[in-house]
Amino acid sequence: DAGITQSPRYKITETGRQVTLMCHQTWSHSYMFWYRQDLGHGLRLIYYSAAADITDKGEVPDGYVVSRSKTENFPLTLESATRSQTSVYFCASSESKGGLDTIYFGEGSWLTVV
Amino acid sequence: QKEVEQNSGPLSVPEGAIASLNCTYSDRGSQSFFWYRQYSGKSPELIMFIYSNGDKEDGRFTAQLNKASQYVSLLIRDSQPSDSATYLCAVNRGNTGFQKLVFGTGTRLLVSP
Repeated sequence: DAGITQSPRYKITETGRQVTLMCHQTWSHSYMFWYRQDLGHGLRLIYYSAAADITDKGEVPDGYVVSRSKTENFPLTLESATRSQTSVYFCASSESKGGLDTIYFGEGSWLTVV
Repeated sequence: QKEVEQNSGPLSVPEGAIASLNCTYSDRGSQSFFWYRQYSGKSPELIMFIYSNGDKEDGRFTAQLNKASQYVSLLIRDSQPSDSATYLCAVNRGNTGFQKLVFGTGTRLLVSP
């Protein structure tokens, strides 16, 4: 009954390094999302995926790359980390396309870029 | 103007009182509305959703929606210290059901014993 697991939970990295945040869900949900949460901005959508091999940009995609080769995994890569990408990152999933479907969030990954 | 606006608070209420949390949104085409609770250092969890004008009750929680005035509120009756958290309002802009939520920045609620 793991649900959504994110790793690492906490990460400190240096400016310019590549960082990958992993997300794994056990429910076989079709939709997966990456959000970042910053003080004063709330949760903002970075990328989302409707199914394996289908991804699309959200509100703040610049500097991020995603892939989804398997339904259960949705990694988020920061190609060259910047200080402005210091944030809490939440992976989430949703069962289907229905507008009232619940989005389930992972526990979050705290990323600090120094 | 932000798409979804909430007063950041903190909103302080004594135990047993009614807490009233408000949210306004700018997109008149918004279809469904969600309230999430987020404890400090934790992930958001869904409390309830509403998509029709009026009230929707679930236990101690009541969501109220007024599309004409573009606001949605959450009432928490008999507030408990365990209700102390940040409450996020989220609006679904999708009109075909795909869930692309826009979140407010949240209102921090403090319930004192």
